[in-house]
Amino acid sequence: QQQVKQSPQSLIVQKGGIPIINCAYENTAFDYFPWYQQFPGKGPALLIAIRPDVSEKKEGRFTISFNKSAKQFSLHIMDSQPGDSATYFCAASSTNFGNEKLTFGTGTRLTIIP
Amino acid sequence: DGGITQSPKYLFRKEGQNVTLSCEQNLNHDAMYWYRQDPGQGLRLIYYSQIVNDFQKGDIAEGYSVSREKKESFPLTVTSAQKNPTAFYLCASSWTGSTYNEQFFGPGTRLTVL
Repeated sequence: QQQVKQSPQSLIVQKGGIPIINCAYENTAFDYFPWYQQFPGKGPALLIAIRPDVSEKKEGRFTISFNKSAKQFSLHIMDSQPGDSATYFCAASSTNFGNEKLTFGTGTRLTIIP
Repeated sequence: DGGITQSPKYLFRKEGQNVTLSCEQNLNHDAMYWYRQDPGQGLRLIYYSQIVNDFQKGDIAEGYSVSREKKESFPLTVTSAQKNPTAFYLCASSWTGSTYNEQFFGPGTRLTVL
């Protein structure tokens, strides 16, 4: 019940395209869903996050779509750029005090071709 | 500058040796975490601590040990009992009891067993 399943494992998109990365979870207690971006040799950094009371959140070119009934959420990158090439991780947690552990997906290596 | 520091950046160890990875934060965060990252497996939680002098095992604690004597510090010892210690180790910290569980990550330590 703690798993977060992420797909695809890798993705190659031309500049300007819209890569989409999908995640699915099982634990209905999860109520916080962040996406992290990681460049090679660096630690991950929070990109955008959503709570299940909204179905979509946009920050700049990044959008999270959330489907509570399907227990799925996805990351869309508009007008993708070569600088977006990185590994992206979805994650989930419950914000109840004492249970702040994040459960991470296995990551998606995104390459944007100029 | 506020943030998380990890040292060393690269670490080489002979089989049978214990080694300690350093993690320090000046963000005044209560919670700290250690993750292991292997290619294609995402981030796996080793240990976490939500308060000084207390810590809990994560999903892959065997062969590792931690201490939390100070709020700012959460060192990880990789013992000789860890059968496959070569990996990228990431430390993170966060607030506890907040609405959002944003974890801030350090730059990581790459451990190689020779």
